[in-house]
Amino acid sequence: AQRVTQPEKLLSVFKGAPVELKCNYSYSGSPELFWYVQYSRQRLQLLLRHISRESIKGFTADLNKGETSFHLKKPFAQEEDSAMYYCALAGGTSYGKLTFGQGTILTVHP
Amino acid sequence: GAGVSQSPSNKVTEKGKDVELRCDPISGHTALYWYRQSLGQGLEFLIYFQGNSAPDKSGLPSDRFSAERTGGSVSTLTIQRTQQEDSAVYLCASSSTGTSVYEQYFGPGTRLTVT
Repeated sequence: AQRVTQPEKLLSVFKGAPVELKCNYSYSGSPELFWYVQYSRQRLQLLLRHISRESIKGFTADLNKGETSFHLKKPFAQEEDSAMYYCALAGGTSYGKLTFGQGTILTVHP
Repeated sequence: GAGVSQSPSNKVTEKGKDVELRCDPISGHTALYWYRQSLGQGLEFLIYFQGNSAPDKSGLPSDRFSAERTGGSVSTLTIQRTQQEDSAVYLCASSSTGTSVYEQYFGPGTRLTVT
């Protein structure tokens, strides 16, 4: 069965410091991975997907199939990055369905 | 355009009562999802509707939970004989098809409190 693990429930950094939110997955097929974000008092929304290989709001994430990881990184964290971040995996028998991790609350201190 | 809407935004109910939560997806989106969000459990998948296919109910935690989607649009999540552990935020999301199917648009959620 597919599974997504985000080992850190809480992560705190200071403004300007690098940040890495960890995500590991287990899936026997070819994975598609995503990061979703929920800012305070806003809706959960898609941040980025690995197939796009894009940088959104300074965040990047690289799929590492050898380590089955999809960590989210930003070299210089900003206070406005404080939010709940979910890693998600697509695949399995149900087309369109995502499996989410348990989420990491990122707090960026001034 | 209008996003996903959910009602009510907050619901307080007594243990043992039934509740209905409503979701209006984005017009034209064929896929509709229900999730439960709680501090201890993260984002938990409940049920997924895709077009006219049979729904994926694999995430429903018990037979007290059910959902329907009428006319391929509005969906209602029903929880019968509510228990205190049902207290959570219930999120609805919708998406279109093709390469965009995994870009899910979420509603604001319904916060359910069972007393």
